[in-house]
Amino acid sequence: GENVEQHPSTLSVQEGDSAVIKCTYSDSASNYFPWYKQELGKGPQLIIDIRSNVGEKKDQRIAVTLNKTAKHFSLHITETQPEDSAVYFCAVHHGGSNYKLTFGKGTLLTVNP
Amino acid sequence: SAVISQKPSRDICQRGTSLTIQCQVDSQVTMMFWYRQQPGQSLTLIATANQGSEATYESGFVIDKFPISRPNLTFSTLTVSNMSPEDSSIYLCSGNRDLNTEAFFGQGTRLTVV
Repeated sequence: GENVEQHPSTLSVQEGDSAVIKCTYSDSASNYFPWYKQELGKGPQLIIDIRSNVGEKKDQRIAVTLNKTAKHFSLHITETQPEDSAVYFCAVHHGGSNYKLTFGKGTLLTVNP
Repeated sequence: SAVISQKPSRDICQRGTSLTIQCQVDSQVTMMFWYRQQPGQSLTLIATANQGSEATYESGFVIDKFPISRPNLTFSTLTVSNMSPEDSSIYLCSGNRDLNTEAFFGQGTRLTVV
């Protein structure tokens, strides 16, 4: 089955700095790569996603890049703010019609004021 | 996107009992899924809830322990049966409007078994 590795497991940055979280996957047929933000006591919320026919996607301070050859994708958050502090999960949809997602283990991001 | 409501949001249950978690979506969705998230861990897929037929379970999860219903395109239930402390976890429902749209999640049900 699909194997998704996420790094780092924890990340601490100063407010205003950038944060980068990286995920690698194993199945070259994977075609959809979402990122979720989970705040304490809440369900995961989609913050950005990318499909396999695109190399980069940006939404204000958040961007995702995809390298299909190397089978990795990354989340970039610029100008971090304390409210960005949360657990971030990458996920991979490995093709097929069932739309199942495999999640990375998560990154606890702490933005220090 | 759609809004998913889960009930209850949390519960404390005695071992050996069962709990049914409800998942209600505010609009029709094609796919619905149930996940387990143990404290500080990632999400693990339990099963795909199929409308009008038996759920499709992932390896390590069985129908007798986690019976699932999905009577229509907006509602599903997950029952955690014969609970033990190892079942203490957050249970999450998710849905996709169709095969090419995002998955969105409910707020989760935090279950503690004592």
